[in-house]
Amino acid sequence: EPEVTQTPSHQVTQMGQEVILRCVPISNHLYFYWYRQILGQKVEFLVSFYNNEISEKSEIFDDQFSVERPDGSNFTLKIRSTKLEDSAMYFCASRRTRVDEKLFFGSGTQLSVL
Amino acid sequence: GESVGLHLPTLSVQEGDNSIINCAYSNSASDYFIWYKQESGKGPQFIIDIRSNMDKRQGQRVTVLLNKTVKHLSLQIAATQPGDSAVYFCAEGSSGGGADGLTFGKGTHLIIQP
Repeated sequence: EPEVTQTPSHQVTQMGQEVILRCVPISNHLYFYWYRQILGQKVEFLVSFYNNEISEKSEIFDDQFSVERPDGSNFTLKIRSTKLEDSAMYFCASRRTRVDEKLFFGSGTQLSVL
Repeated sequence: GESVGLHLPTLSVQEGDNSIINCAYSNSASDYFIWYKQESGKGPQFIIDIRSNMDKRQGQRVTVLLNKTVKHLSLQIAATQPGDSAVYFCAEGSSGGGADGLTFGKGTHLIIQP
């Protein structure tokens, strides 16, 4: 079964540093998402992306965050200047169409900001 | 604000028994509901979904029930197995515009006792 892949699985960074989290969505999917999950808490929506632009973003997704689809396969989340509270598991997700709402999630990148 | 939430944080059942995980939602505009299973260190894995024009949907060993009158969603797992131990999230969304991402509840930790 096709799957969403994320790299790296773990990322440790110093506060104030930039990080880029990478995702390869399922190949025929058109809608892409980033979610995050702070340890022990629920999964929170960050941003959705369609047709090479952001379609929706949450309050969490401030100016420190950006997303990009640099080529036909990768989808990245950049945090420009990490803060301690950015430490979380970050999940990428994709789906084929908007009508087909089933989201497929990757295994996540555990980001630790020290 | 409106939210999706779960009644019980932890549910422990004997192997072979049936389990029921409950979820309350408050956004009356939501017309799509989905259950995810999350094992430790992994991303959410799709279990089953249901649209608001249905009140019951069955999968393999799982059944989702939707009661729109009281805004309640449940996941029934029949003949539980050790591999069913995980955190289960309900999530809501809308197929007709508005919020593009899913809104997740906090999660119920299902523990299967041998």
